[in-house]
Amino acid sequence: QQQVKQSPQSLIVQKGGISIINCAYENTAFDYFPWYQQFPGKGPALLIAIRPDVSEKKEGRFTISFNKSAKQFSLHIMDSQPGDSATYFCAAQDFGNEKLTFGTGTRLTIIP
Amino acid sequence: NAGVTQTPKFRILKIGQSMTLQCAQDMNHNYMYWYRQDPGMGLKLIYYSVGAGITDKGEVPNGYNVSRSTTEDFPLRLELAAPSQTSVYFCASSYRGPNYGYTFGSGTRLTVV
Repeated sequence: QQQVKQSPQSLIVQKGGISIINCAYENTAFDYFPWYQQFPGKGPALLIAIRPDVSEKKEGRFTISFNKSAKQFSLHIMDSQPGDSATYFCAAQDFGNEKLTFGTGTRLTIIP
Repeated sequence: NAGVTQTPKFRILKIGQSMTLQCAQDMNHNYMYWYRQDPGMGLKLIYYSVGAGITDKGEVPNGYNVSRSTTEDFPLRLELAAPSQTSVYFCASSYRGPNYGYTFGSGTRLTVV
């Protein structure tokens, strides 16, 4: 049972453009939503995270938008750069649970 | 600081063989996790531990075993390897749970033939 649905599976964006990756969930007990970035041959690394009491969080060129009523959240990468080419995972945790549930990942490629 | 160290990086096993994937962290993290990553399937939790002496099953525990005798180490044991266990395995640790962020190791690529 997949509790966090992520789309698209792959994404190609031109340098300087905006990359958008979407995730949806069903479990209303989820209360922490991180995004992880993974480069080839490496383990994932925490990129940015949000809690449902805010609708948006921005860190540099990376922004999470959160829609609690729609049970959706998304990652926006502004001014996308070739160095942003990686696989991105959304994830969710419900309160009192000690583990994350991950989405299926999005392979992002930024072309010159 | 080494962070999370996984060994080996690569391994080829024959069907029916057994092996242990090693994971060690030097950050004094209480929580440790084992995930497997398959193409298009994301990260699936195999086992996790919230402290020494405590382990719990994740989504896909069948065919695996773990132990946590120390805070630093969390080995994953594969008994009677099957082709379905061909995957990339990641160990992760966290100070006190997901909202403190996971630190992942660099992974072990396992092929069962």
